[in-house]
Amino acid sequence: ETGVTQSPTHLIKTRGQQVTLRCSSQSGHNTVSWYQQALGQGPQFIFQYYREEENGRGNFPPRFSGLQFPNYSSELNVNALELDDSALYLCASSRSGKTPDEQFFGPGTRLTVL
Amino acid sequence: AQTVTQSQPEMSVQEAETVTLSCTYDTSENNYYLFWYKQPPSRQMILVIRQEAYKQQNATENRFSVNFQKAAKSFSLKISDSQLGDTAMYFCAFMTNTGNQFYFGTGTSLTVIP
Repeated sequence: ETGVTQSPTHLIKTRGQQVTLRCSSQSGHNTVSWYQQALGQGPQFIFQYYREEENGRGNFPPRFSGLQFPNYSSELNVNALELDDSALYLCASSRSGKTPDEQFFGPGTRLTVL
Repeated sequence: AQTVTQSQPEMSVQEAETVTLSCTYDTSENNYYLFWYKQPPSRQMILVIRQEAYKQQNATENRFSVNFQKAAKSFSLKISDSQLGDTAMYFCAFMTNTGNQFYFGTGTSLTVIP
């Protein structure tokens, strides 16, 4: 069974640029959630995708957008990067969009915005 | 709104000893789920233990157990026979019965001293 994978591991961007982060869900999982973890903080929910549709969104501006593909992998896109977007971005996959299915986390992508 | 508070930013324990990590939460929901996640330096979040609010019996997983006090909205984690591999950040998390996102605390950094 393949676990959740994320790419890239690290990324450095400058303010105003755009970035795409990728997540491959665990085998058999059709739901992907994205979280932002700022330094010294707990993860904060960005949004969730279930069967290619957005299935809930946290308190993040529209410049944070996402996609889920037919194979259930997912992308997180962030436009017009700001310094405060520097964080660890975690994705988590689960078998369905229903609570309280266990979510399995990937190792994260560390984004630095200069 | 749901909030999770971890009031101990850092803790340490001698190897083989017992340590308790504190967590309180606030919610108006009656049915929900509580979790403890471990985040080692590898950054991958790993589920340690979970508790359904409707269950009165405290959850246990090998050396890990919780003290769930619903009326007090308290959910502490006890680690017995601490091992060096337990060194990590520990996050308390909450999920409503109908929701699809975790609400995380700010974490407790636990160091096990040989």
